[in-house]
Amino acid sequence: TQLLEQSPQFLSIQEGENLTVYCNSSSVFSSLQWYRQEPGEGPVLLVTVVTGGEVKKLKRLTFQFGDARKDSSLHITAAQPGDTGLYLCAGAHSGGSNYKLTFGKGTLLTVNP
Amino acid sequence: DVKVTQSSRYLVKRTGEKVFLECVQDMDHENMFWYRQDPGLGLRLIYFSYDVKMKEKGDIPEGYSVSREKKERFSLILESASTNQTSMYLCASRLNRLEKLFFGSGTQLSVL
Repeated sequence: TQLLEQSPQFLSIQEGENLTVYCNSSSVFSSLQWYRQEPGEGPVLLVTVVTGGEVKKLKRLTFQFGDARKDSSLHITAAQPGDTGLYLCAGAHSGGSNYKLTFGKGTLLTVNP
Repeated sequence: DVKVTQSSRYLVKRTGEKVFLECVQDMDHENMFWYRQDPGLGLRLIYFSYDVKMKEKGDIPEGYSVSREKKERFSLILESASTNQTSMYLCASRLNRLEKLFFGSGTQLSVL
């Protein structure tokens, strides 16, 4: 099983602060996805990154895929209470049985008003 | 919008019971998945199906089986429920292996 390590596991910040969460692996992924999960709901896709070094922006969220396609980061600028949730990264394997996604354990973010 | 519907939001069963969790998607997706989500362990893949009547074991298939007789429906079966199968179960689907996953809202299963 190819592992994805997410850090930090928990993060509690005040509204307006910036934050970065990380997703690291020793394996190469063909693509990496970030999901957000709110309490009582299933995860919802935020973004997919495919190319090494790729940067994607979604309003106040910036996603980066590492040059070697082994790691990724999510940066949130001026966090708001609506950003509260569990952030999950998921890597797609290249070659072989590439039907599966490997999920990290998630970063639980709480943004306090 | 794609809709992935799980039959029950909450379920309470007794040890040894046979349990069926149903999942239906309405967008003709090829691939369907069952995950369980536990605190501190994240999402773990139980089984997936890349087409009708096709299935493959995920990372933790022990104690589970699946059925996909029709494209839109993917069932997870606990042959003899045990307390360590108490968990949140999430179903997901996608059009094909290049596309994103759409998740249901989950079934919180408690086995007493």
